[in-house]
Amino acid sequence: GAGVSQSPSNKVTEKGKDVELRCDPISGHTALYWYRQSLGQGLEFLIYFQGNSAPDKSGLPSDRFSAERTGGSVSTLTIQRTQQEDSAVYLCASSLSEGDTDTQYFGPGTRLTVL
Amino acid sequence: AQSVTQLGSHVSVSEGALVLLRCNYSSSVPPYLFWYVQYPNQGLQLLLKYTSAATLVKGINGFEAEFKKSETSFHLTKPSAHMSDAAEYFCAVSEGYQKVTFGIGTKLQVIP
Repeated sequence: GAGVSQSPSNKVTEKGKDVELRCDPISGHTALYWYRQSLGQGLEFLIYFQGNSAPDKSGLPSDRFSAERTGGSVSTLTIQRTQQEDSAVYLCASSLSEGDTDTQYFGPGTRLTVL
Repeated sequence: AQSVTQLGSHVSVSEGALVLLRCNYSSSVPPYLFWYVQYPNQGLQLLLKYTSAATLVKGINGFEAEFKKSETSFHLTKPSAHMSDAAEYFCAVSEGYQKVTFGIGTKLQVIP
């Protein structure tokens, strides 16, 4: 595709439910990132994939959060037993991973609202 | 550990006036520095990046930023603001290894 796509664009869920957020990176990009953008908090790094492995999971806020990537392409971020503080915009980015100065290309995000 | 401080969560300028968005960084190694822009309801878009080449970096839409090691700054400027520049701007730093740390963002308002 032309850019990073994310689905759904909006998700409203009830507290305690599980949600899955999907990210389709740019074709050929080996690195994939998840961020969370909360009001007034800027972007918070969650997790980074190189291929299908996640060398850096340091940003996941709790064990309710998990992510996987299959086939070196699509990634899914899962939040179990959602809480109201999980409400945020979840952004995905991908990069070619050609080096340390690699440019990250962002998707439009998924806005999650937990009631 | 790397970190970024953006001074001013909201900045207002008149159309045609100078745009100055401030960013200071902290890094234990020579950093890579980025400015991203986010238009309403859109994802982040790279404006420019510093990768230890020229200290004055030119980006898209007439923006530029200057890396000043002595001041640990990477301020974003544009000589003349346009209405279409209204957006949120994020400064970011990386020490390599793919991990990028973003600032909290500065919302730019352009007044006609």
